[in-house]
Amino acid sequence: QVQLVESGGGVVQPGRSLRVSCAASGFTFNNYGMQWVRQAPGKGLEWVAVISYDGKNQYYTDSVRGRFTISRDNSKDTLYLQMNSLRAEDTAVYYCAKSVEEYLLLSFDYWGQGTLVTVSS
Amino acid sequence: QSALTQPRSVSGSPGQSVTISCTGTSSDVGAYNYVSWYQQHPGKAPKLIIYDVSKRPSGVPDRFSGSKSGNAASLTVSGLQAEDEADYYCCSFAGSYTWVFGGGTKLTVL
Repeated sequence: QVQLVESGGGVVQPGRSLRVSCAASGFTFNNYGMQWVRQAPGKGLEWVAVISYDGKNQYYTDSVRGRFTISRDNSKDTLYLQMNSLRAEDTAVYYCAKSVEEYLLLSFDYWGQGTLVTVSS
Repeated sequence: QSALTQPRSVSGSPGQSVTISCTGTSSDVGAYNYVSWYQQHPGKAPKLIIYDVSKRPSGVPDRFSGSKSGNAASLTVSGLQAEDEADYYCCSFAGSYTWVFGGGTKLTVL
């Protein structure tokens, strides 16, 4: 069955960097686009970034563009989110999710359990 | 990228039907038939219940249905059950490979 397991969250000071990962299993990872979505404590969902199945195309929400980088290693079935210049407002649970259909980036079905990133001094 | 508008809360009794609205613009909901709905129980990851406006993933009961008219989408939950109590989020493709979520709606089963 499809499994997505995020890791790498933790407490980090403002201005510092952190990389979170998402290990995938149960499907052909290199055929599916992937996304990151975050949820601040007690708040709603916010789309963060998406990457195509082959890693060649990446797109970001305005508030993270230039600071965050989404990438993937299809040889390791793993998705990454490199977060630089972190701010307090980046504090959230970060979820990864896979696209519904192969090769397309339209809707997303399976989600991981999330990893909490706390930006605080 | 403004958030889609959802009511903060809705409620219904077991067996009844409730509808949750999701209002966007001509740049997101109105422009594309790629509206999804997610159910989230406290402390859990979101679960996809509707995609492409009205499609149900395998395993989702047909009590859940979706529709769209103009710049607004809707999720209807029929035959309410206690386990339907959760937060519900709509999400729309907004062009240029960006997505926008609604603020979420808390469904209470009375």
